[in-house]
Amino acid sequence: DAGITQSPRHKVTETGTPVTLRCHQTENHRYMYWYRQDPGHGLRLIHYSYGVKDTDKGEVSDGYSVSRSKTEDFLLTLESATSSQTSVYFCAIRGGPPSSYEQYFGPGTRLTVT
Amino acid sequence: AQKVTQAQTEISVVEKEDVTLDCVYETRDTTYYLFWYKQPPSGELVFLIRRNSFDEQNEISGRYSWNFQKSTSSFNFTITASQVVDSAVYFCAEGGQAGTALIFGKGTTLSVSS
Repeated sequence: DAGITQSPRHKVTETGTPVTLRCHQTENHRYMYWYRQDPGHGLRLIHYSYGVKDTDKGEVSDGYSVSRSKTEDFLLTLESATSSQTSVYFCAIRGGPPSSYEQYFGPGTRLTVT
Repeated sequence: AQKVTQAQTEISVVEKEDVTLDCVYETRDTTYYLFWYKQPPSGELVFLIRRNSFDEQNEISGRYSWNFQKSTSSFNFTITASQVVDSAVYFCAEGGQAGTALIFGKGTTLSVSS
């Protein structure tokens, strides 16, 4: 199994509070991604990173920011959580060519915003 | 635009039946990659297979087989002699080169009863 961990695994927070989710990998992979999973929507990309301090927006980036100061860590921050951000968040990593193009996912973080 | 369609939202079968999960994709890339992931009730996302666009050879792995047809932009997944442990949500995804993120379908929920 790919070495990806996410913390926390579960979190309940109140509307308006800041929240940071952490993704940690031990594979030294270049690319890291944050997705959210919601019923009826599958997985949608929030942000991704293609190297330390190199990040870009995905399909549903509004209300989220990310940072990557080390290869192994990719942080997702909700500056002011809203109920619409209640979701399951998955981090993924991907090795660059020529190794493989598939993504491997962390165990997920279930976030509830009340 | 890139898009992945899994028209079957839910499928229910009885153990030992064969079942095919459909996936249709749209992409502007000339080289691309197709994937299937499994999400069992425990929630993790498990990588099953990657297929390159330049390799239309079908693949079989035990009870699983995949049929890639570029002419119809389809990448269907068949489970032979289904088992209760196959019950899960299955996602089809498409990705281009480099570090581009995957585009996921909305998933098909497969329920196998004994």
